[in-house]
Amino acid sequence: SQQGEEDPQALSIQEGENATMNCSYKTSINNLQWYRQNSGRGLVHLILIRSNEREKHSGRLRVTLDTSKKSSSLLITASRAADTASYFCATQGGSEKLVFGKGMKLTVNP
Amino acid sequence: DAGITQSPRHKVTETGTPVTLRCHQTENHRYMYWYRQDPGHGLRLIHYSYGVKDTDKGEVSDGYSVSRSKTEDFLLTLESATSSQTSVYFCAISERAGNGNYGYTFGSGTRLTVV
Repeated sequence: SQQGEEDPQALSIQEGENATMNCSYKTSINNLQWYRQNSGRGLVHLILIRSNEREKHSGRLRVTLDTSKKSSSLLITASRAADTASYFCATQGGSEKLVFGKGMKLTVNP
Repeated sequence: DAGITQSPRHKVTETGTPVTLRCHQTENHRYMYWYRQDPGHGLRLIHYSYGVKDTDKGEVSDGYSVSRSKTEDFLLTLESATSSQTSVYFCAISERAGNGNYGYTFGSGTRLTVV
């Protein structure tokens, strides 16, 4: 069963705007990860945040984690048309297995 | 995707036939996984392996079996394909266990259609 739930399920913005995606999960975790999937391709790992971290940056990506609320957010700043993709959050608990959410679709209009 | 390849990329098969999908890695990673991706369900884990000859079931393992006789290869077999197994199948690898906090590397996927 899915652990993470992304919100919103779909987001359409203009190039240059910021995009924020949220993820909620149900059980305790060791880390939470975000992945991107371009149409017809495999998933690409974007960023990992550990349960003892609150915020992490990677280029135009900013991830926050609130373990008390069991939620995470992914912010993409200054979005580009190339950011158009589906985004997934995934949680990793005591085992090595990742449990993925259903994903959300981001469209960045030029 | 670098270091991991899936074959075939596309396959159409008939109901009731056995089908084997192959995942090959050149990264020497210990952990390998098979997921299926379906609209409205995201990715669901079918089986995974934590070493040669060491495998375990995932969330949706019924109707599937796996084998790992070498570190680099992880095979997924649909013993008797059904239409409900029409899906996109992804293989993934990771270097370490969960406590090591490593991400997964995914293959490009196999689109399987069972008619």
